[in-house]
Amino acid sequence: EVQLVQSGAEVKKPGESLKISCKGSGYSFTSYWIGWVRQMPGKGLEWMGIIYPGDSDTRYSPSFQGQVTISADKSISTAYLQWSSLKASDTAMYYCARLEQLAGRNWGQGTLVTVSS
Amino acid sequence: QAGLTQPPSVSKGLRQTATLTCTGNSNNVGNQGAAWLQQHQGHPPKLLSYRNNNRPSGISERFSASRSGNTASLTITGLQPEDEADYYCSAWDSSLSAWVFGGGTKLTVL
Repeated sequence: EVQLVQSGAEVKKPGESLKISCKGSGYSFTSYWIGWVRQMPGKGLEWMGIIYPGDSDTRYSPSFQGQVTISADKSISTAYLQWSSLKASDTAMYYCARLEQLAGRNWGQGTLVTVSS
Repeated sequence: QAGLTQPPSVSKGLRQTATLTCTGNSNNVGNQGAAWLQQHQGHPPKLLSYRNNNRPSGISERFSASRSGNTASLTITGLQPEDEADYYCSAWDSSLSAWVFGGGTKLTVL
């Protein structure tokens, strides 16, 4: 069974750094793109970027380029999303998804990030 | 970043049929096709169909997707209370090299 398990909820202060994770299992982690998606409270889905763990090829949405860093460690089948300096506007639910046939085939349970002073 | 266009809300009665639409362009929906996702409040999205009308195993046949030109559609027959959710379309945009989403449609089952 394909599973994506994300790290737990985080509460941070503005200016702090953060790295959240998404661990894949039940499939060949290096053979499928992983995408990160933001959902702000009460809003829709926004694509942030994707990574191919096989070779770490990474693409960013222009809206998120320079704001976040996406990475992966194929030795432990885990993808990451990180911020160097959080803002209150980063408060959102973040999902990872395994892409297959150009679609988010499997989704993680989500990681809620709250940024508040 | 160009997105896909969905109506914000659709309301239909129990056991009726709802058709949700998603309009893109020749670089995304018209080229690569669209996928449809269902999201219930407080839950992650769930894939309903991909590449226009391929259903993952376990997805009811009441959900069917199609495409005409740059517009994708999701038809839900025999509406049930549990179909009340937000529905998103998504597609890969070959011009932008970007994964694009629609703004979502809130389906209300009366």
